[in-house]
Amino acid sequence: DADVTQTPRNRITKTGKRIMLECSQTKGHDRMYWYRQDPGLGLRLIYYSFDVKDINKGEISDGYSVSRQAQAKFSLSLESAIPNQTALYFCATSDRDRTGGELFFGEGSRLTVL
Amino acid sequence: AQKVTQAQTEISVVEKEDVTLDCVYETRDTTYYLFWYKQPPSGELVFLIRRNSFDEQNEISGRYSWNFQKSTSSFNFTITASQVVDSAVYFCALIGTYKYIFGTGTRLKVLA
Repeated sequence: DADVTQTPRNRITKTGKRIMLECSQTKGHDRMYWYRQDPGLGLRLIYYSFDVKDINKGEISDGYSVSRQAQAKFSLSLESAIPNQTALYFCATSDRDRTGGELFFGEGSRLTVL
Repeated sequence: AQKVTQAQTEISVVEKEDVTLDCVYETRDTTYYLFWYKQPPSGELVFLIRRNSFDEQNEISGRYSWNFQKSTSSFNFTITASQVVDSAVYFCALIGTYKYIFGTGTRLKVLA
């Protein structure tokens, strides 16, 4: 099983619908992140969390919200999806105790908003 | 502000050619870390290398090598004798004050 698991892997939805992308990890890491990938724009940070009580906005948080339900779970919500939120979304974790540690990514969730 | 620039959007080479992927970064932090990640066509993101700002030694791992030069704020990645399996998007990334910043990626196509 993957260390960082994202569900769903693929989702097609309609404009205005509420969507939740879920991420769970078994690595025991405190830090979790949500990134969005668009062609030509690379990976952009949406939200990040350093522990259950710590949530921070990234560079493109508008239109998104997150919930850190437990150390191992970090969910991303689109309250009212719009077509320009069509993208590939990645959850990632890193180890607090290893400064500058690498990110461990989930396999990605491809979201299409019609 | 932090920034990572990968000016090469797409590179095509013929198998067995050497290829260098450029990465230029900006940061005001004195301590920072640089990374390269690979994203093959299957879509997952794979960690390749991590380098901290105090270690300017070049590194070689098989056909891969990395050249870190603080004087030019660059962390370039060279693949020697490229293979078709090297075809992927490669991302350079920087972490200074807690947040990882990625470049826009370079798509490498290795033609048989």
